[in-house]
Amino acid sequence: GQNIDQPTEMTATEGAIVQINCTYQTSGFNGLFWYQQHAGEAPTFLSYNVLDGLEEKGRFSSFLSRSKGYSYLLLKELQMKDSASYLCARRMGAGSYQLTFGKGTKLSVIP
Amino acid sequence: GAVVSQHPSRVICKSGTSVKIECRSLDFQATTMFWYRQFPKQSLMLMATSNEGSKATYEQGVEKDKFLINHASLTLSTLTVTSAHPEDSSFYICSARLGRSTDTQYFGPGTRLTVL
Repeated sequence: GQNIDQPTEMTATEGAIVQINCTYQTSGFNGLFWYQQHAGEAPTFLSYNVLDGLEEKGRFSSFLSRSKGYSYLLLKELQMKDSASYLCARRMGAGSYQLTFGKGTKLSVIP
Repeated sequence: GAVVSQHPSRVICKSGTSVKIECRSLDFQATTMFWYRQFPKQSLMLMATSNEGSKATYEQGVEKDKFLINHASLTLSTLTVTSAHPEDSSFYICSARLGRSTDTQYFGPGTRLTVL
């Protein structure tokens, strides 16, 4: 399997910063995605990393280290509406556009 | 841009009946669409990859005769759950790729299937 691991749940305070980690098997790696999913809804695309480093997009940033098989999603200035599940997904292999998803991290933002 | 729709959003059916779910890319042509299934508190599990004009590729453990996929045009793929049973009750989500040079998949809003 792809062995994508991420924490099951996290809680953070409104206005704070939270980092959601994801580790994955490095063999055949060819790109990592982060999606946001509110309960009962489909996932929405947040970010895509294929090279090492930090990609910043407004309040959300995503980091990738290919050698370590590690990524994180950083959410700044948390808002109540950020309460959702955050899914880490990797492409199944070189030349493949299919994705394997982690189980998701349920983030609860509290006042 | 990159809007994907699904219909119906929710369906309840009796055991033994068949249900068809449509997935449409509204503002782009999707050469590849994907069908996922998500059980409560679980992650998305890829069921099959649907390529326009060719047969779908099913993941291991997914019965192709039970989950019929048709991708007749660049904007429409359908999933038919045949002879549905209660264990098929799940959240079915489709996604679409924009094109060969784009890796991002955009998801439809999902279909909640309940089989009684």
